[in-house]
Amino acid sequence: AQTVTQSQPEMSVQEAETVTLSCTYDTSENNYYLFWYKQPPSRQMILVIRQEAYKQQNATENRFSVNFQKAAKSFSLKISDSQLGDTAMYFCAFGTSGTYKYIFGTGTRLKVLA
Amino acid sequence: GAVVSQHPSRVICKSGTSVKIECRSLDFQATTMFWYRQFPKKSLMLMATSNEGSKATYEQGVEKDKFLINHASLTLSTLTVTSAHPEDSSFYICSARSGYGAGLNTEAFFGQGTRLTVV
Repeated sequence: AQTVTQSQPEMSVQEAETVTLSCTYDTSENNYYLFWYKQPPSRQMILVIRQEAYKQQNATENRFSVNFQKAAKSFSLKISDSQLGDTAMYFCAFGTSGTYKYIFGTGTRLKVLA
Repeated sequence: GAVVSQHPSRVICKSGTSVKIECRSLDFQATTMFWYRQFPKKSLMLMATSNEGSKATYEQGVEKDKFLINHASLTLSTLTVTSAHPEDSSFYICSARSGYGAGLNTEAFFGQGTRLTVV
């Protein structure tokens, strides 16, 4: 069975600074995808970034980038130039192409300080 | 991105009654929909996978007779909480993905969630 672990329940960062959220996972699958989702107070899940396991290049989306270490089963999210609107819960998620189900980590509550 | 609409956003019901939550894909055909439950300050726990035109697949520990799922069309899945109890109070979220595309690269889109309170 797959598991996703987020070891940082809460984090804070000063506005305009950079923060890294950690995520590790465990799987015996070879073909899978990893995701970071943002859940603001509205509770709407918003896809931040996704990474295909077969791609060696780390995904980037504007201020968001990942450090994907497949051998170490690590998938961290870096937020650059943090903004107040980045304040939210961030969930790391794992999905396999066979089942299409997502397994979520326990989340990291990020607070961006003015 | 594609839009998934969930209704209602909030519902309060009395113990022993049933409540239905709808999940609609507004601008794409969703061959698969997923229902999650989220407890306060907790992660999303997958309850079941709903495939259009077939029976839902429930995760271990989820009572299929209590949480009835119907995916009668490519744009609508419903979750009915039967004989609701206060412990069923939670935040329920659906997601939908299109089956037309290459594997899981087809993104899953989430509804805005439904807060259920059973009194």
